[in-house]
Amino acid sequence: GAVVSQHPSWVICKSGTSVKIECRSLDFQATTMFWYRQFPKQSLMLMATSNEGSKATYEQGVEKDKFLINHASLTLSTLTVTSAHPEDSSFYICSASPPQGATTEAFFGQGTRLTVV
Amino acid sequence: KQEVTQIPAALSVPEGENLVLNCSFTDSAIYNLQWFRQDPGKGLTSLLLIQSSQREQTSGRLNASLDKSSGRSTLYIAASQPGDSATYLCATRTDSWGKLQFGAGTQVVVTP
Repeated sequence: GAVVSQHPSWVICKSGTSVKIECRSLDFQATTMFWYRQFPKQSLMLMATSNEGSKATYEQGVEKDKFLINHASLTLSTLTVTSAHPEDSSFYICSASPPQGATTEAFFGQGTRLTVV
Repeated sequence: KQEVTQIPAALSVPEGENLVLNCSFTDSAIYNLQWFRQDPGKGLTSLLLIQSSQREQTSGRLNASLDKSSGRSTLYIAASQPGDSATYLCATRTDSWGKLQFGAGTQVVVTP
């Protein structure tokens, strides 16, 4: 199947700093990628839809100024957690689907475990 | 708004038993439904994808059924093994862009 690569797999940062997470589609072009967040023992919640060449679409309740998304190319989307605080500690994961239409499978990156201390 | 529910939340079985995991959803207007496996601290591994026009999909020991009209899907894992221990998530796709709506998952433990 298609491959989506996410980096880094884990990161520890100090409170107040910013962290950038990358999501790459390795063998297909993705005009749209998705960023999810998962708290311990909970399911994945969609944060935002990343659109190549345009602004991201954020879900209700997600602060767009805190979670900056850039989708500068057809194979790369980045999520930057700005001025991180301990409550931002979570598991972040991205997904993308090959552009063959609405019935294609969604592929996920390996996820990034963010710990803010 | 689509709501996806998975029952049970946790399941423990001895090795060799068959596993039955349930997923229900409120909006039957789905493009497809996907089952994933998630190991602790890891990303998602896609197990099976069922299109809205299909009734079931099979891959090895895994079989997933879909009853769109009643908003249900079931994942069967035959002859469970300790390596099957993980959290299993189901997710529906209701738009053409690809965003998914997830259930909370079923945590499975298979004891030797």
